[in-house]
Amino acid sequence: QSVLTQPPSVSAAPGQRVTISCSGSSSNIRNTYVSWYQHLPGTAPRLLIFETDKRPSGIPGRFTGSKSGTTATLAITGLQTGDEADYYCGTWDFSLKTDVFGTGTKVTVL
Amino acid sequence: QVQLQESGPGLVKPSETLSLTCTVSGDSISSDYYWAWVRQSPGKGLECIGGVHHGGMDYYTPSLKSRVTISLDTSNNQFSLRLTSVTASDAAIYFCARRIPNLNWFDSWGQGTLVTVSS
Repeated sequence: QSVLTQPPSVSAAPGQRVTISCSGSSSNIRNTYVSWYQHLPGTAPRLLIFETDKRPSGIPGRFTGSKSGTTATLAITGLQTGDEADYYCGTWDFSLKTDVFGTGTKVTVL
Repeated sequence: QVQLQESGPGLVKPSETLSLTCTVSGDSISSDYYWAWVRQSPGKGLECIGGVHHGGMDYYTPSLKSRVTISLDTSNNQFSLRLTSVTASDAAIYFCARRIPNLNWFDSWGQGTLVTVSS
């Protein structure tokens, strides 16, 4: 149902790097900013990346965002056990005229 | 620092109306933000319901638009969600959030409130 597609899960050992893709279309990602959120069940989602590649204060540089065409990517380097969570991309869809989120990706630290 | 807190009944009967309130502290709902609702159905991802701005602008996701109203209560610095004719598919965790106008991101969220739909 979501217009943004993410892999269901990614995993890596502590200290390694993972990337999460967010695939959209010309109605959304290609033509506007993307944001990323970290969500632990039972807590408030946390903004990690805004305006595609900017980090709010307090978010470590291990989290980086980028975009190419209709796909946005979140990279997490130096993976830590505390990074285990669900991650969502988000953006505006010009056809639907609403905010849309990705399907979500569960990050597991092996 | 802005804080948002959802409140409302945790159980709603099918065909009835779901009503939730978000209490905002640390900011005024008359400031230049959208005040929005997002939900997460069991085992699913996030779904934006819609948002409103004190200047009168609003938006709603098309699949819910006919059943949803989001309104601001400036006297109590709260905003509310009203979803009519609920069905089992409306059972979800409902989050309220603050959204930056024109820039597509939500910078502050509540912790969410679980709503069950059952007779």
